[in-house]
Amino acid sequence: DVKVTQSSRYLVKRTGEKVFLECVQDMDHENMFWYRQDPGLGLRLIYFSYDVKMKEKGDIPEGYSVSREKKERFSLILESASTNQTSMYLCASRQGGAGYEQYFGPGTRLTVT
Amino acid sequence: ELKVEQNPLFLSMQEGKNYTIYCNYSTTSDRLYWYRQDPGKSLESLFVLLSNGAVKQEGRLMASLDTKARLSTLHITAAVHDLSATYFCAVDVKGAQKLVFGQGTRLTINP
Repeated sequence: DVKVTQSSRYLVKRTGEKVFLECVQDMDHENMFWYRQDPGLGLRLIYFSYDVKMKEKGDIPEGYSVSREKKERFSLILESASTNQTSMYLCASRQGGAGYEQYFGPGTRLTVT
Repeated sequence: ELKVEQNPLFLSMQEGKNYTIYCNYSTTSDRLYWYRQDPGKSLESLFVLLSNGAVKQEGRLMASLDTKARLSTLHITAAVHDLSATYFCAVDVKGAQKLVFGQGTRLTINP
């Protein structure tokens, strides 16, 4: 079974703090993704990575950066957290090629106060 | 740009009834995925549909894909309370490795 884990289920940070969200997958997937999910707005793609050290912006990259130094690990960084970044963050991974589903981690609920 | 629309967005139904959730998408694709999300939880894969006419069934849920109409349906038969959840469809973006998700359909099944 594919397993995607995220470093924290719940996180509370203060405005202006630098925040790291970590995601690890154990199935050697090429592709990894970060989404945020807010009520009424569905899933929005922040960044994704299709290989080590490679990244592409998603729909809402502003205020975020990412890092992928190893294939199994994809980090989302909030350089200076703001209250409008309070959200549920979901990581996902997917095998490269066509026709493969994404597997999601359990999510991190981040609150910025 | 690929757009994916689900319909309805909210659905309240009684146990024992049948209903269908629709997923329309705007550009050619022959790969579509259905996910389920329980409140406060992450997304769980339900079905992978990889060709025109594909049909998959699991228990009371059946999903189908019509690539010519750019439409997928998720049919619920004789609904039970345990099926209450939010259901998302997602479509492959051609030439990319990412999916585009619909807005989700929040399904509530009342006893």
